[in-house]
Amino acid sequence: QVQLVESGGGVVQPGRSLRLSCAASGFTFRIYGFHWVRQAPGKGLEWVAAISYNGRNKYYADSVKGRFTISRDNSKNTLYLQMNSLGTEDTAVYYCAKDRAIFGVVKTPFDYWGQGTLVTVSS
Amino acid sequence: DIQMTQSPSSLSASVGDRVTVTCQASQDISNYLNWYQQKSGKAPKLLIYDASELETGVPSRFSGSGSGTDFTFTISSLQPEDIATYYCQHYDNLPPTFGQGTRLEIK
Repeated sequence: QVQLVESGGGVVQPGRSLRLSCAASGFTFRIYGFHWVRQAPGKGLEWVAAISYNGRNKYYADSVKGRFTISRDNSKNTLYLQMNSLGTEDTAVYYCAKDRAIFGVVKTPFDYWGQGTLVTVSS
Repeated sequence: DIQMTQSPSSLSASVGDRVTVTCQASQDISNYLNWYQQKSGKAPKLLIYDASELETGVPSRFSGSGSGTDFTFTISSLQPEDIATYYCQHYDNLPPTFGQGTRLEIK
């Protein structure tokens, strides 16, 4: 069955960096686009970034553009989120989410989500 | 960016009640709308996609309707296990924005 397992979260000081990973299994990873979505404590869902199935196209929310980088390794069935210059406003649970349709990043819902990994930015 | 306005923000209902949540998009999104269920401490779960299509394995008491800018999510007969927060989300373009969420409680 489809599994998405995030890792890499933790407590980090403002201004530092962190890299999140999302290990996928149970489906053909390389033909699906992926997204990162975050949820600050007690708040709603915020889309963060997306990457196409082949990694050539990447998209970012304005709030993270220039600081975060999404990438993927199709040989390892793994999605990444490199987060630099972290601020307290980045404190959240970060989820990876899979596109429902193959080869798409837009006009397709997210059908599977990981369990999330908590990032806490605090001095 | 397309704004999604979801209402109400919270709702209290009794077991067996019919429950309705609405979501309005700031521009025409055709039928590119999802509804997710998020239980406390868990990841969101896709219930409805393409505004009205029921995801595989989701009970038939859940349904969705609408197109363009106005959408509705309905639980026909509320069950205790339906306690959760429900979110709409458009996916017409990027960013795929979410509604503010509706917290559903049992009376």
